[in-house]
Amino acid sequence: DAGVTQSPTHLIKTRGQHVTLRCSPISGHKSVSWYQQVLGQGPQFIFQYYEKEERGRGNFPDRFSARQFPNYSSELNVNALLLGDSALYLCASSSDGNTIYFGEGSWLTVV
Amino acid sequence: SQELEQSPQSLIVQEGKNLTINCTSSKTLYGLYWYKQKYGEGLIFLMMLQKGGEEKSHEKITAKLDEKKQQSSLHITASQPSHAGIYLCGADDYNFNKFYFGSGTKLNVKP
Repeated sequence: DAGVTQSPTHLIKTRGQHVTLRCSPISGHKSVSWYQQVLGQGPQFIFQYYEKEERGRGNFPDRFSARQFPNYSSELNVNALLLGDSALYLCASSSDGNTIYFGEGSWLTVV
Repeated sequence: SQELEQSPQSLIVQEGKNLTINCTSSKTLYGLYWYKQKYGEGLIFLMMLQKGGEEKSHEKITAKLDEKKQQSSLHITASQPSHAGIYLCGADDYNFNKFYFGSGTKLNVKP
């Protein structure tokens, strides 16, 4: 069975641009969450979606937004990119409060 | 909000030695997760603990949650180079629908 898949794996953007990151959860998982991991730190929670509704939000500016589609896949959007947005963005999925499984992440570099 | 403090921040051990990583919470934990991360990659689920006093083992890795459910330890017996990586503890905060991580412990195992 496929695990959590994320795309793209690596990308480079210029300051001020917009980026969309995509995530496909494990089949049957209805909950998707997003995390930002800056080098040398633990992942920071950004959003959680369950059944297409936002259930939780971390301390991130409004430039960060997300959505979940009917097939439970999800997108994370970041507008007006800053240098400090450079990080590994991780997506995770879970099934009704059970173990949370992570994808390999999307490396975003803002120059 | 939930805070998780991990210690030590980094660890270098000789192959074959035992080691322990600690994770302390500012609040009672509903569920405590341990993950392993290779540099720049996704998180690999190791174990989840939910009950006070619970202990789980997988191969040479044992995780424990104390009776008060505020502290967890991860113990590796007879460490091998394959154990090298970053170990992260994480926990649910059901009050805020968030998931928190510690800052991680970087483990190097010298052959």
